[in-house]
Amino acid sequence: QSALTQPASVSGSPGQSITISCTGTSSDVGSYNLVSWYQQHPGKAPKLMIYEGSKRPSGVSNRFSGSKSGNTASLTISGLQAEDEADYYCCSYAGSRVFGGGTKLTVL
Amino acid sequence: EVQLVESGGGLVQPGGSLRLSCAASGFTFSSYWMHWVRQAPGKGLVWVSRINSDGSSTSYADSVKGRFTISRDNAKNTLYLQMNSLRAEDTAVYYCARISSGSYFYWGQGTLVTVSS
Repeated sequence: QSALTQPASVSGSPGQSITISCTGTSSDVGSYNLVSWYQQHPGKAPKLMIYEGSKRPSGVSNRFSGSKSGNTASLTISGLQAEDEADYYCCSYAGSRVFGGGTKLTVL
Repeated sequence: EVQLVESGGGLVQPGGSLRLSCAASGFTFSSYWMHWVRQAPGKGLVWVSRINSDGSSTSYADSVKGRFTISRDNAKNTLYLQMNSLRAEDTAVYYCARISSGSYFYWGQGTLVTVSS
């Protein structure tokens, strides 16, 4: 199972919006509504930010939103804040689980 | 409060073995499928293995198949990962995670496994 494709890095200024893409295939992202997104700060465990493509767990800010079109899922963060600077990973069901390579978000 | 606490990591020589444990608390452990996910230093997350709620079904990534064994003891609320024939490329932080609605809602803090001579 090949890893999902994410941009290596994205950046934005405080208050702006950014979108991170996650491209898979018709065997994973395109076939299941089971894409999740995780935020990871250095030295910390990942934290679930979006599940089932667009749902937010309790306690996650509504500045975070998810969507999917075809074989590509997206995570959008609006109103960027300094604490959003982290690595972000997408994950899809594909019989087993497959992760994206990760995207480093820099808040300028 | 849901807690997952991994232990058992450390330094091991190539070809050696190690058993990781993940102690669960704050929820009905026997009701949930559990997974292991690893992260090599400076690299991304990689799925390793999963086990169903009663331990009767398991699955592995191709990279560890035949070398790693996932198991659980629901009476002790503990998940295990037996790792044999370890290689340098197995060096990583290993996380246990609880899955529901297809996603990892809870993660442990991770335990570092270093395979080196």
